[in-house]
Amino acid sequence: NAGVMQNPRHLVRRRGQEARLRCSPMKGHSHVYWYRQLPEEGLKFMVYLQKENIIDESGMPKERFSAEFPKEGPSILRIQQVVRGDSAAYFCASSPARNMNTEAFFGQGTRLTVV
Amino acid sequence: AQSVTQLDSQVPVFEEAPVELRCNYSSSVSVYLFWYVQYPNQGLQLLLKYLSGSTLVESINGFEAEFNKSQTSFHLRKPSVHISDTAEYFCAVSGEYNQGGKLIFGQGTELSVKP
Repeated sequence: NAGVMQNPRHLVRRRGQEARLRCSPMKGHSHVYWYRQLPEEGLKFMVYLQKENIIDESGMPKERFSAEFPKEGPSILRIQQVVRGDSAAYFCASSPARNMNTEAFFGQGTRLTVV
Repeated sequence: AQSVTQLDSQVPVFEEAPVELRCNYSSSVSVYLFWYVQYPNQGLQLLLKYLSGSTLVESINGFEAEFNKSQTSFHLRKPSVHISDTAEYFCAVSGEYNQGGKLIFGQGTELSVKP
């Protein structure tokens, strides 16, 4: 059973381009969480999705950022018109259920660099 | 609102010495507490968690943490560290039982074990 798979591992974009980050949860997991880790900071929650639904997007910036988790395929975090401040490591986590008794497993992250 | 403070950003220690990584939290509701470990260029791995019951929780590799409600702390300890324990350690809290992967993280403590 493969772990949470994120790709690409490293992504370089020029200012103004779009960045698409993908997250394939562990088999049997239908809950996905995205986090952002800025340099020298801890992880900050961005969004929680269940298949085809956004459950909690309280941590998402109001503009340029969007996330989806379609019925088929990976979850996608999309950043439009990237700026230098978007440079960070983006982590995805998945779990089989909502509640605290289940563990959320993290992927290895996508490191986005905006030049 | 909930928050987590990790009091030490870096902790250097010699091999086989004891170590304590400090974590304090603030919350107006009951909390669930976690310690995660991040090895270089890896995702986060759950080390241990407190949900309820015994306030002392242990991991399989010798770490333990004690939930102290009166001091709002969840410090991580190990009586004798190994070189392989070198990593970044994150304390996290959640007050939402039904959003198991939505966590608030501290800024991290970099543990450096020297021979």
